[in-house]
Amino acid sequence: EVQLVESGGGLVQPGGSLRLSCAASGFTFSSDWMSWVRQAPGKGLEWVANIKEDGSVKYYVDSLKGRFTISRDNAENSLYLQINSLRGDDTAVYYCAREQGRGRLGYWGQGTLVIVSS
Amino acid sequence: QSALTQPASVSGSPGQSITISCTGSSSDVGGHNYVSWYQHHPGKAPKLLIYDVGNRPSGVSNRFSGSKSGNTASLTISGLQAEDEADYHCSSYASRAPYVFGTGTKVTVL
Repeated sequence: EVQLVESGGGLVQPGGSLRLSCAASGFTFSSDWMSWVRQAPGKGLEWVANIKEDGSVKYYVDSLKGRFTISRDNAENSLYLQINSLRGDDTAVYYCAREQGRGRLGYWGQGTLVIVSS
Repeated sequence: QSALTQPASVSGSPGQSITISCTGSSSDVGGHNYVSWYQHHPGKAPKLLIYDVGNRPSGVSNRFSGSKSGNTASLTISGLQAEDEADYHCSSYASRAPYVFGTGTKVTVL
């Protein structure tokens, strides 16, 4: 059974940093692109970033470039998202998702909540 | 990134059919056949319902179907059931990003 479990969210002050993690199991993690998607309260989903199977290629949504860094450790079956200079509008549930072809997020985790507030 | 446009809410009675639209442009929905739909019960993991406009992953009920005409994609839920009450999100591959999502639609079963 495919499982994606996010962790690392919490309450953080504006300007702070967080590293989100996603533990993957039930599939060959090193064979798939992976994505991070977020959902702010009352808003729709927003794709954040993705990373190639071997970590050599990364893409980010234009509006978040520079503050967000996606990475992965295939030996640990883990995906990461480093977020710096956090702002109030970064408050959201962050999901990791397994890609299964262009434009297709086949499996998702249940998300981890990040709240940016003083 | 401009989100794709979905109706905020759609409702229907059990057994009825409903359709959710997802309107974009020629650079996303209209220009690619990589439209997906996701069902999301709050607090749970989103679930892929439809990919490549009209394909269903294994295990997804055939009550869910997808189509596209021009810059607008559509998700139809037939034989509406109480368990279908959830949020639904479309997404499209786009020239500006691998995933552009819709604004989301809340489906209510009356």
